[in-house]
Amino acid sequence: GAVVSQHPSRVICKSGTSVKIECRSLDFQATTMFWYRQFPKQSLMLMATSNEGSKATYEQGVEKDKFLINHASLTLSTLTVTSAHPEDSSFYICSARTGTPPYEQYFGPGTRLTVT
Amino acid sequence: AQSVTQLGSHVSVSEGALVLLRCNYSSSVPPYLFWYVQYPNQGLQLLLKYTTGATLVKGINGFEAEFKKSETSFHLTKPSAHMSDAAEYFCAVSEFSGNTPLVFGKGTRLSVIA
Repeated sequence: GAVVSQHPSRVICKSGTSVKIECRSLDFQATTMFWYRQFPKQSLMLMATSNEGSKATYEQGVEKDKFLINHASLTLSTLTVTSAHPEDSSFYICSARTGTPPYEQYFGPGTRLTVT
Repeated sequence: AQSVTQLGSHVSVSEGALVLLRCNYSSSVPPYLFWYVQYPNQGLQLLLKYTTGATLVKGINGFEAEFKKSETSFHLTKPSAHMSDAAEYFCAVSEFSGNTPLVFGKGTRLSVIA
């Protein structure tokens, strides 16, 4: 199957700083990528849908000014957590979707963010 | 909108016993259905998926699931549990030939007792 990478796999940052997480589709072009968040011992919750060349679509309750998503190319989407606070600590997972039906979605390995 | 219900947040079985993890879905159109496994502090691993065609789907590690439209179910089974099967399992649904983002159930934690 196709491969999706995320970088970094783990990051620790201080409260008030910003952190950027990259999601790359390594061997296919992904016009659409999805960002999920997973709290400890909970399920994955969709944060936003990222479309190449256009603004991301955020789910209800997700602060778009806090979680900046950029999808500048067909193989790269980035999630920037701005002015991070301890409550933003979580596991962030991206998925990349192939461009034609039937669509396939491939998940990255996730990024563990800890804000101190 | 699609949704997934996983019955039982925690299932415990003895090693060698049958594993049955339940998943019911809601979808207004033919769904794509998935089972993922997640080990502690790791990402998701796809076990199996149903898109179209044969309703009994076989996956990795001896798991299989059957799509039952009349029951809106997609239960995951394995004939004989192994200690290494202990993990968190998520059922998920997507619509329109996989075009929509996956919606996940709350997950079921499987414990295997020696």
